[in-house]
Amino acid sequence: GDSVTQMEGPVTLSEEAFLTINCTYTATGYPSLFWYVQYPGEGLQLLLKATKADDKGSNKGFEATYRKETTSFHLEKGSVQVSDSAVYFCALGVSNFGNEKLTFGTGTRLTIIP
Amino acid sequence: DAGVIQSPRHEVTEMGQEVTLRCKPISGHDYLFWYRQTMMRGLELLIYFNNNVPIDDSGMPEDRFSAKMPNASFSTLKIQPSEPRDSAVYFCASSLKGGVVTDTQYFGPGTRLTVL
Repeated sequence: GDSVTQMEGPVTLSEEAFLTINCTYTATGYPSLFWYVQYPGEGLQLLLKATKADDKGSNKGFEATYRKETTSFHLEKGSVQVSDSAVYFCALGVSNFGNEKLTFGTGTRLTIIP
Repeated sequence: DAGVIQSPRHEVTEMGQEVTLRCKPISGHDYLFWYRQTMMRGLELLIYFNNNVPIDDSGMPEDRFSAKMPNASFSTLKIQPSEPRDSAVYFCASSLKGGVVTDTQYFGPGTRLTVL
């Protein structure tokens, strides 16, 4: 079945450091890939997405490129801020005869220290 | 826009009691999703509805769990009887047309359930 494997957390970085959170996937069809972010006490929010191979999703300084050859969708940011502290979820979705489901990774908790 | 509304935000109950979680989706959204989040299993889809009709309930863990959507603006997730292993954060999400490629799911703030 479809699955997503994420980098284990927690991850702690200093402000302005470079961030990478690894994500790899297994899917039977042609998935779209997503990164969601969950701030403390809130629900998940879509951060960015890519719908086909070699697409790059970007938002708020975060980027991720859909790499079909390595089945990966790693999240990167060049210079993190304290406000980026949150839990990040990688997810995939495959449209299947009208059955629309997202499969999430287990999440990576990121803490940025000033 | 008020976003997806869930109630209660926190629920503490004793084993064997009935628990009802509530969700109000964003107005005009046709799809509603119930998820459960635990440390061990991460975020799991329990069930989702399209136009108030359950489409896929394969994620519902067992018969103790049931979900209804009596109208377009309200859904419930019920656990009867509750057990300590049901302790988790339960999220409701809604989307306009449901397509994972073309659409976005909007999540509520969640209900943190603790079963003693």
